Amino acid sequence: DSGVTQTPKHLITATGQRVTLRCSPRSGDLSVYWYQQSLDQGLQFLIHYYNGEERAKGNILERFSAQQFPDLHSELNLSSLELGDSALYFCASSVEASSYNSPLHFGNGTRLTVT
Amino acid sequence: SQQGEEDPQALSIQEGENATMNCSYKTSINNLQWYRQNSGRGLVHLILIRSNEREKHSGRLRVTLDTSKKSSSLLITASRAADTASYFCAPMNTGFQKLVFGTGTRLLVSP
Repeated sequence: DSGVTQTPKHLITATGQRVTLRCSPRSGDLSVYWYQQSLDQGLQFLIHYYNGEERAKGNILERFSAQQFPDLHSELNLSSLELGDSALYFCASSVEASSYNSPLHFGNGTRLTVT
Repeated sequence: SQQGEEDPQALSIQEGENATMNCSYKTSINNLQWYRQNSGRGLVHLILIRSNEREKHSGRLRVTLDTSKKSSSLLITASRAADTASYFCAPMNTGFQKLVFGTGTRLLVSP
């Protein structure tokens, strides 16, 4: 058990809808990372927050947004959903601001299916 | 590009055999991390090797790093069916803002 909790585990929704994925990092970790994993794109980095502030952005669509709250949990909001957004969404946490020297601890993901 | 490239893409062996997978990268690094992903689960950190280290061990895992060739290898000795997973490398340096992953090596260990 990594200590990172993601909810919900599964989500099925229709195109055009909006969903919110939630992540609680490991106790003591200040960094939260979001990744998207699909069969055709592999594991894609989306965004990184450290102690409430955005630190780095990856291939995150404008329809997607995220934030990290004062209690350090994070939410990833996906709107105007398309079929191609169907994927596994992972949250990872680490102690430090950079993953350079600090291994990431991954949750078990939220499987999103857009129909 | 920051990400590593794992090779082979897929590897199939019998229990008890050793499994070797390789990682090549293009930029200079300060360290390199290996992760494992069981099907449908989150990645699990296996080992971190620094650029001034040539070899590191952790249980049945042995990682080597050759910065002159910009490559690393992960050896799993005496493989078990439970080692069936995808394995990813992630090269890092202080200038990288994020950890990025390649497509991984899919290892299948048959009983």
